[in-house]
Amino acid sequence: NAGVTQTPKFRILKIGQSMTLQCTQDMNHNYMYWYRQDPGMGLKLIYYSVGAGITDKGEVPNGYNVSRSTTEDFPLRLELAAPSQTSVYFCASSYSWGQETQYFGPGTRLLVL
Amino acid sequence: QKEVEQNSGPLSVPEGAIASLNCTYSDRGSQSFFWYRQYSGKSPELIMFIYSNGDKEDGRFTAQLNKASQYVSLLIRDSQPSDSATYLCAVNALGGSQGNLIFGKGTKLSVKP
Repeated sequence: NAGVTQTPKFRILKIGQSMTLQCTQDMNHNYMYWYRQDPGMGLKLIYYSVGAGITDKGEVPNGYNVSRSTTEDFPLRLELAAPSQTSVYFCASSYSWGQETQYFGPGTRLLVL
Repeated sequence: QKEVEQNSGPLSVPEGAIASLNCTYSDRGSQSFFWYRQYSGKSPELIMFIYSNGDKEDGRFTAQLNKASQYVSLLIRDSQPSDSATYLCAVNALGGSQGNLIFGKGTKLSVKP
């Protein structure tokens, strides 16, 4: 199993550009999550999904959108990139809610200039 | 908004010593507690979880939980330079904008040879 994979590993965007961060898991997990991590600020939840077709906002959803058309994929869309979206983005998944481990992807480092 | 607090460190210990990492949480109803390790530039990985009051040991790692004091700790015995990383404490949440896990900001541990 590859676990949770993310692409790209690194990207530079200009202000106002858009992009999609890809996330795929092969563990048949129902629950998937997008976090951003800024230096010294811990992990902040952007969006999460409890199954295909179901998504919900986390703490910091502004400027982002998600979709979940399959169990495996959970892409994160950035519209009109801003310097404040410079961060490291982690996708994670878990089998169930609450008492189960979240498995993290390797992360995408995004720089908005 | 539920919170998880950790001392940001850095915590510096000599090789072979015991490293003690601490975490407090605000929600008395929390049930599940996790410790993640994050090496610089890498994604978080789970090292231990604990659900019941008391101690849980796994190799050189011991998690300690005191629900009455809303306190969870991680002890690392015989610390090695390879243990140098940031340790994230996570506590279960009940959905909404915080999803199912709330992460602390992490404690940076440095083990000196």
